[in-house]
Amino acid sequence: GQQLNQSPQSMFIQEGEDVSMNCTSSSIFNTWLWYKQDPGEGPVLLIALYKAGELTSNGRLTAQFGITRKDSFLNISASIPSDVGIYFCAGQRANSKLTFGKGITLSVRP
Amino acid sequence: DTGVSQNPRHKITKRGQNVTFRCDPISEHNRLYWYRQTLGQGPEFLTYFQNEAQLEKSRLLSDRFSAERPKGSFSTLEIQRTEQGDSAMYLCASRRGQGGNSPLHFGNGTRLTVT
Repeated sequence: GQQLNQSPQSMFIQEGEDVSMNCTSSSIFNTWLWYKQDPGEGPVLLIALYKAGELTSNGRLTAQFGITRKDSFLNISASIPSDVGIYFCAGQRANSKLTFGKGITLSVRP
Repeated sequence: DTGVSQNPRHKITKRGQNVTFRCDPISEHNRLYWYRQTLGQGPEFLTYFQNEAQLEKSRLLSDRFSAERPKGSFSTLEIQRTEQGDSAMYLCASRRGQGGNSPLHFGNGTRLTVT
């Protein structure tokens, strides 16, 4: 079963606001990734993190690989309506499969 | 880079029928993965290939499921004697297998509905 914890299940924010999402695990991962999924489509990679403590940005998105290697967070700044979707964290051990969280559904009110 | 391609996008079948899905990975990616996703859940790993070799299978992959990648390029996932519980989105993903943990890139999935 899945080992990554994402909560809450849903988040509602106002356009222009910043939002932060956490992902925690009971075990260590070597790589953390964040994906966004729109209805009827596959997950799209947002950010990949490869080293503990690493902080990486992709436009308005910033993600960090926790120093314990058991957590990661994703920040979205100045949200816009197209940020709506489901955000998944995923962890990977060396040369192994990805394990996903259950996702957080983000709604952005205009 | 044409991305990961999956066909068909949607499949409706009656319980007991067999279905087969196809995945064409990104051309230079030697690793190919199959995942299943149900409503409100993240993708769950089913199996993966390195080139033509199937290296790992999840316990979710019952005897009714079989995956192949005969020439190390495209892959097929077959479900025999489908059950209503098989209804889900079946996602394919690929990545480069050398040089560390390159990220997975997903296709848009095949949505299976078993009636």
